[in-house]
Amino acid sequence: IVLTQSPATLSLSPGERATLSCKASQRVSGLLVWYQQKPGQAPRLLIYDTSNRATGIPARFSGSGSGTDFTLTISSLEPEDFAVYYCQQRSNWPPTFGGGTKVEIK
Amino acid sequence: EVQLVESGGGLVQPGGSLRLSCAASGFAFSNYAMYWVRQAPGKGLEWVSVISESGGSIYYADSVKGRITISRDNSKNMVYLQMNSLRADDTAVYYCAKSNMLRGVRGFMDVWGKGTTVSVSS
Repeated sequence: IVLTQSPATLSLSPGERATLSCKASQRVSGLLVWYQQKPGQAPRLLIYDTSNRATGIPARFSGSGSGTDFTLTISSLEPEDFAVYYCQQRSNWPPTFGGGTKVEIK
Repeated sequence: EVQLVESGGGLVQPGGSLRLSCAASGFAFSNYAMYWVRQAPGKGLEWVSVISESGGSIYYADSVKGRITISRDNSKNMVYLQMNSLRADDTAVYYCAKSNMLRGVRGFMDVWGKGTTVSVSS
């Protein structure tokens, strides 16, 4: 399954809302995961199975979607949220990642 | 605290070999599948391999099949990635990651190590 993330780059200011898209080439049965990666760091689990926040993830992060279209929303960007975000599907084998969306400071 | 620490990366010539290691702590290692995921410089994430909790189920990405072998030692809480016939396009940071699932390989990666860098160049 190919995952296409858009936009490639999102330029926003702190306090603004971020909406990131992940489109799958086939249905992924809700088994869609989001990770955050900051420069020089390992990825960190954010959201699993479409809408479940991982332990310790703030409520400003939310996930939604179904079928082939999924969204990660950050309701109000904090300075520490500027990073690259990847989606990943675990519905079909092999697991695949999207190309990432970079959220940068405007 | 759940922790994964990778080691073994380095500079190797094309055609050479490396063995990566991942030391796990803070969880019941023998109950969880373990993944290797890599990231080429400036690129996205690529799943490389997974090994089930017992080592009985192993899968590889097509890009590495036949050149890479994953293994684990549950007595030492270690997972390994033996990399042979290395190519320039294997250059990447290699991350070890833990599965969320108690048994089974189709989970997601809930804890990641900091990674170890492999550079393949003459």
